[in-house]
Amino acid sequence: SQQGEEDPQALSIQEGENATMNCSYKTSINNLQWYRQNSGRGLVHLILIRSNEREKHSGRLRVTLDTSKKSSSLLITASRAADTASYFCATDQDAGGTSYGKLTFGQGTILTVHP
Amino acid sequence: DTGVSQDPRHKITKRGQNVTFRCDPISEHNRLYWYRQTLGQGPEFLTYFQNEAQLEKSRLLSDRFSAERPKGSFSTLEIQRTEQGDSAMYLCASSLTSGFWRAEAFFGQGTRLTVV
Repeated sequence: SQQGEEDPQALSIQEGENATMNCSYKTSINNLQWYRQNSGRGLVHLILIRSNEREKHSGRLRVTLDTSKKSSSLLITASRAADTASYFCATDQDAGGTSYGKLTFGQGTILTVHP
Repeated sequence: DTGVSQDPRHKITKRGQNVTFRCDPISEHNRLYWYRQTLGQGPEFLTYFQNEAQLEKSRLLSDRFSAERPKGSFSTLEIQRTEQGDSAMYLCASSLTSGFWRAEAFFGQGTRLTVV
């Protein structure tokens, strides 16, 4: 079953604008990861945020995590046409003392950046 | 290239045939995962290995599916008596994980299976 729910399902912006995608989940987590997928290709890891972290940056990416609301957001600043892809959040559930590591993905946000 | 590699990239097979996919993880990674992704959906977990031990299998993995990871290195996923519903992208991922905080998983390019 899909735990993460991304919002919006699709986002269309102009180059240079910022893109914000949101993810909500249901169970407590060890960490949350964001991935990018170009059409028909594999997933590229973007960023991991642990459950005890609230914000993380990597280049033009900013991820926030609110464990009380069970939600996360991914902000891409100064977007480029090359950022056009599907973006997925994936949760690694907190299984107590048992280390799982399997990821549960949402359905993704399709981002289109127009040049 | 030291990333996760999968072979083949594409496979077309007739219904009822058996297929086998291979995944070579990043060499020092102890965890290896298989996921399946259908069009317009996010990947769904199938199974995972810690070293050579298969620790969990999803209910999605019917008896026709079997996965192995001999010697804790590469892994194979076999589908017997393929059905049209098996058509999907099969993704492999690996990670190096120890302790409480788990690490990121790196994915291969996937094997796209089409059953005709």
